Amino acid sequence: GQQLNQSPQSMFIQEGEDVSMNCTSSSIFNTWLWYKQEPGEGPVLLIALYKAGELTSNGRLTAQFGITRKDSFLNISASIPSDVGIYFCAGQRETSGSRLTFGEGTQLTVNP
Amino acid sequence: GAVVSQHPSRVICKSGTSVKIECRSLDFQATTMFWYRQFPKQSLMLMATSNEGSKATYEQGVEKDKFLINHASLTLSTLTVTSAHPEDSSFYICSARDPGRGGLEQFFGPGTRLTVL
Repeated sequence: GQQLNQSPQSMFIQEGEDVSMNCTSSSIFNTWLWYKQEPGEGPVLLIALYKAGELTSNGRLTAQFGITRKDSFLNISASIPSDVGIYFCAGQRETSGSRLTFGEGTQLTVNP
Repeated sequence: GAVVSQHPSRVICKSGTSVKIECRSLDFQATTMFWYRQFPKQSLMLMATSNEGSKATYEQGVEKDKFLINHASLTLSTLTVTSAHPEDSSFYICSARDPGRGGLEQFFGPGTRLTVL
């Protein structure tokens, strides 16, 4: 079953607003990844994080690897309509080899 | 770089038939590929890890005789859903790691929508 708690489940925002979503776990993760999935498509990698405390940006997206290694957040600044989609966090635990555990996803809707 | 393709993109079949889905890494060699299943409005659930030249590793609760995985080359893994039934209808997505990148990122294919009538 899922071991990552992702919140919020959904967000409805106006174009131009900033967005924040996060994932938490009771387990320690070595790697955090953030993906975006659009309807009928596979997930696309947005940001990869490998070190506790790491803060990484990709355009208007910023993600951080929590210092406790049990959480991560993703921020989107100045949202635009094409940001619509489902955002998933995914983590790799030390004991799981290269397998990933996925969060439940955050459905983002941006109103023009 | 790190492009993964899947074929077919969608398939409709009759109950009891078998369906093969292909996953290819187009610009890198993947010793490890992964197969996921995703139901509507749900997250991705890992079904199995496909290892080139060896047997796949299945997640708990996934029937290995029903979901046959073959990873015959460094760029191709196949998932065969045998004797498909309506409850097998789902979105099947593969992913692959690019060992040349040195990290644990998985790159996903576009998915295959399976509908069993």
